Amino acid sequence: DQQVKQNSPSLSVQEGRISILNCDYTNSMFDYFLWYKKYPAEGPTFLISISSIKDKNEDGRFTVFLNKSAKHLSLHIVPSQPGDSAVYFCAASRNTGGFKTIFGAGTRLFVKA
Amino acid sequence: NAGVTQTPKFQVLKTGQSMTLQCAQDMNHNSMYWYRQDPGMGLRLIYYSASEGTTDKGEVPNGYNVSRLNKREFSLRLESAAPSQTSVYFCASSDRRGAYEQYFGPGTRLTVT
Repeated sequence: DQQVKQNSPSLSVQEGRISILNCDYTNSMFDYFLWYKKYPAEGPTFLISISSIKDKNEDGRFTVFLNKSAKHLSLHIVPSQPGDSAVYFCAASRNTGGFKTIFGAGTRLFVKA
Repeated sequence: NAGVTQTPKFQVLKTGQSMTLQCAQDMNHNSMYWYRQDPGMGLRLIYYSASEGTTDKGEVPNGYNVSRLNKREFSLRLESAAPSQTSVYFCASSDRRGAYEQYFGPGTRLTVT
C-alpha cells in the first residue's frame, strides 16, 4: 500500500518552460511534506517543504502547492533549466512523533536545452 | 564539514555472507536513518535512531540490525546477506529540533549474488 504516490515516472520539458511534478498521498495524518532532488550516484538533497497549515511555499524558482482536501501536492519549477534534470522524490511525514518519512517512487525530470 | 559519509561505496557479497555498512555525520544531528532504494520503490526506511542510545524499526527491518555507536555514527549490519538485499543503501541524519529535512550520504551500492 503506497501512502505516497508519484504516478509519472518521467517528465520531459523544454528549457525555460514550467515543470510540474505531482504527488498524491493517502494518509490524512501527514502534516509535513518535502521534495528532494537526486542526481545519479549521489544521495537525495532537500529542495523545499511545506507544512499542512499552508497551501503554498516558494523558494526562488521552486514553488510547492498543497491541496489538503484532494491530498495532492505539486512542485513547480519556473523557468526550468538543464541542471534541473534529476529524479525528484515527494515525501510526507507526521510532525508529531514522526521520525518516519514516507517517500514516493520518484519522477525523473529531463530538461531539454 | 563533510556532512554525511558512508563506507563502502560499492560492495559485492555472496549469499550468506555478512557485512556492516558504516555511516557518520558531523552536523551534530540527533536523529539518523537507514534507507534502501530499489527501482520503482522510492526510498524505504529500514531503521532509524531518534537520538543517541535509541533505535527503532522502519518499514523494512527484516534481515538487518543497527547500532547507534555514538551521536556521530550509525551502522547497518547484514548478518546473512540474501539476493533480495541487493539495493542502494542511504544513510541520513536530521536535527530533531528543526524542520524535518534529512541530509543524505552518497549511498552504498550493494550486490548480493
